[in-house]
Amino acid sequence: KQEVTQIPAALSVPEGENLVLNCSFTDSAIYNLQWFRQDPGKGLTSLLLIQSSQREQTSGRLNASLDKSSGRSTLYIAASQPGDSATYLCAVSFDRGSTLGRLYFGRGTQLTVWP
Amino acid sequence: DGGITQSPKYLFRKEGQNVTLSCEQNLNHDAMYWYRQDPGQGLRLIYYSQIVNDFQKGDIAEGYSVSREKKESFPLTVTSAQKNPTAFYLCASRGPVNSPLHFGNGTRLTVT
Repeated sequence: KQEVTQIPAALSVPEGENLVLNCSFTDSAIYNLQWFRQDPGKGLTSLLLIQSSQREQTSGRLNASLDKSSGRSTLYIAASQPGDSATYLCAVSFDRGSTLGRLYFGRGTQLTVWP
Repeated sequence: DGGITQSPKYLFRKEGQNVTLSCEQNLNHDAMYWYRQDPGQGLRLIYYSQIVNDFQKGDIAEGYSVSREKKESFPLTVTSAQKNPTAFYLCASRGPVNSPLHFGNGTRLTVT
């Protein structure tokens, strides 16, 4: 069974810190991995998409890495700001025939950045 | 602007009534998805459709039904058979399989 796990479940940091969110998955045969942000009561906003052939993707202060062999991805946020406070979710599409096209989600890391 | 529209934002129903949640996209995406989100549970897949007139059950399809008669529309019906329908429902769509998943802003359903 494909599973996606995110740790920690919650994180609280002062403004300006660099931080790392972790995502692990049980099956190394992935197609791609996507990081999302969710604000309270809202839908999910796509942050970064990493294809299985890629090692990392960057967008502004965000950098996501992928290590398929160890079943891990990390989301690095540089110089965190209060506006980064949200829940961050990792989702994996596994390269397994009939399941290709559906994403498996972790439960998210709730981030609070205080001024 | 292209995007996904879910309506209504809030929905209240009495127990025993069926209710239909709307999801419309103008992104020309083939694939569409319905997820349910409960506190502490993460997102769970209800149904998904990879092409018009075809759809597959996700992990928690019991008590739900869908249709995909048009590319841009994927309505979800929550039937009276769903034991615990109160939740936040999210619709998503995607183009090619190597492209990002896009989400609507959700519908919060409360059944009393």
